[in-house]
Amino acid sequence: QQQVKQSPQSLIVQKGGISIINCAYENTAFDYFPWYQQFPGKGPALLIAIRPDVSEKKEGRFTISFNKSAKQFSLHIMDSQPGDSATYFCAASSFPARNAGNMLTFGGGTRLMVKP
Amino acid sequence: DAGVTQSPTHLIKTRGQQVTLRCSPISGHKSVSWYQQVLGQGPQFIFQYYEKEERGRGNFPDRFSARQFPNYSSELNVNALLLGDSALYLCASRPRGVSGNTEAFFGQGTRLTVV
Repeated sequence: QQQVKQSPQSLIVQKGGISIINCAYENTAFDYFPWYQQFPGKGPALLIAIRPDVSEKKEGRFTISFNKSAKQFSLHIMDSQPGDSATYFCAASSFPARNAGNMLTFGGGTRLMVKP
Repeated sequence: DAGVTQSPTHLIKTRGQQVTLRCSPISGHKSVSWYQQVLGQGPQFIFQYYEKEERGRGNFPDRFSARQFPNYSSELNVNALLLGDSALYLCASRPRGVSGNTEAFFGQGTRLTVV
C-alpha cells in the first residue's frame, strides 16, 4: 500500500500559536519523509525532511516528529505567522530498487490559515 | 541560480487535442520527474527520468508519455486530452537519479485547462 494519509484537511491558528499537521503511512519501505509548502499558483517548496533513523528534526520554527513504530510523522510550526498561510503536504519515498525510480507519494494536503 | 523552469505557465486546450509541456531542471541535476496535481489534491507521480531513461511510471494511461534530452531537460506529452486531464503539471529535479533519496525541487508548474 503506497498511501500517505494526512490530517487535518484544514487548520486555523492564531498568530503566535502552534500549527500541527499529522501524516500516517503504511509502506514500511518508506525511508524519506519530506514536507512541502505550497502557495496558490506556485509549485511545492521543500520545507524540511527526515529519515527514519532520527525521531525529531528541527529547522527554525519547523519541527518534524517521527514515530517509526506507529508509522506516523508530524510537522509542528512554532510561533505561526500569517505568512505561513499556505497548503502543506507531507510525502514519502522509498530507496529505489535497481534502475527504478524514487517517486514521492504525497498526502492530501492541509490548508493552513494563520489569523493575525 | 535558476530553479526548475517550466513552460508554458498556462495552457488551454480542447478535448481530443495533444499537448507538450517542457521542463528545464536545476543546473547539475540529472533526474527529472513529472507530477499531476488536481485542484485540492496532492501531486500524483507520472514519470521519472534519469540519464534519458524512464526509471519509474505512475498509474497513468498510455496517452501520457515523456522523454529526457541530453541536456537533462524533459518534455511531457499528453494525447487525446480529456476534461479530467485539467490540472497543474509539476516538474521536479533531483541532483542524482536513483541512487538514494535526495531532495526534489519543484518548478512553478504548468496549469493545463481542457475545455
